[in-house]
Amino acid sequence: AQKVTQAQTEISVVEKEDVTLDCVYETRDTTYYLFWYKQPPSGELVFLIRRNSFDEQNEISGRYSWNFQKSTSSFNFTITASQVVDSAVYFCALSEAPMNRDDKIIFGKGTRLHILP
Amino acid sequence: NAGVMQNPRHLVRRRGQEARLRCSPMKGHSHVYWYRQLPEEGLKFMVYLQKENIIDESGMPKERFSAEFPKEGPSILRIQQVVRGDSAAYFCASSPGLAGGLTDTQYFGPGTRLTVL
Repeated sequence: AQKVTQAQTEISVVEKEDVTLDCVYETRDTTYYLFWYKQPPSGELVFLIRRNSFDEQNEISGRYSWNFQKSTSSFNFTITASQVVDSAVYFCALSEAPMNRDDKIIFGKGTRLHILP
Repeated sequence: NAGVMQNPRHLVRRRGQEARLRCSPMKGHSHVYWYRQLPEEGLKFMVYLQKENIIDESGMPKERFSAEFPKEGPSILRIQQVVRGDSAAYFCASSPGLAGGLTDTQYFGPGTRLTVL
């Protein structure tokens, strides 16, 4: 069965510190997709990244970076030099693909990140 | 190019009333997904629809909930005889439905926040 675990329920860091949000997943498929979404206080869901299971290269986008380790089934997210605007709930998610026509996304419970000024 | 539209953004109902939530997918998208987010929880899949077809409703409660995606018009999530436990944020997502069964990125709407008094 698919499962996404975000062990950190809530994290607080002081502005400009780096912070890493952990994500561990379970799946029986060899082909799958991993996602990160941001949910700011306004409530909408903001797509951050999608990574397929065949691509283990780490990704960097500005202050955001993602570390995909298939050996440990982890897809961790790091924010460098955090800013107050990064305060939000962050969700890690999993979708199994490609031949399965049911593309539902399984979400973790989220990590609430507080960036303190 | 407008994103996924959901309305209303906020909906208040008394116990026993009906709630209708609407979702207009992004232009050119033929796949719609509904997710529910209970307070302090991650999103949970409810139903996956293509035009005029329900593909997977494994996450839908067996009673009172129904969904449709007609040939013309928005997708509708309908909750009959609402109870307090239905209070949640309901998110709709759409994807283009690429050929070959590959998982598409799902783009989420802003959500409808249902409050049952």
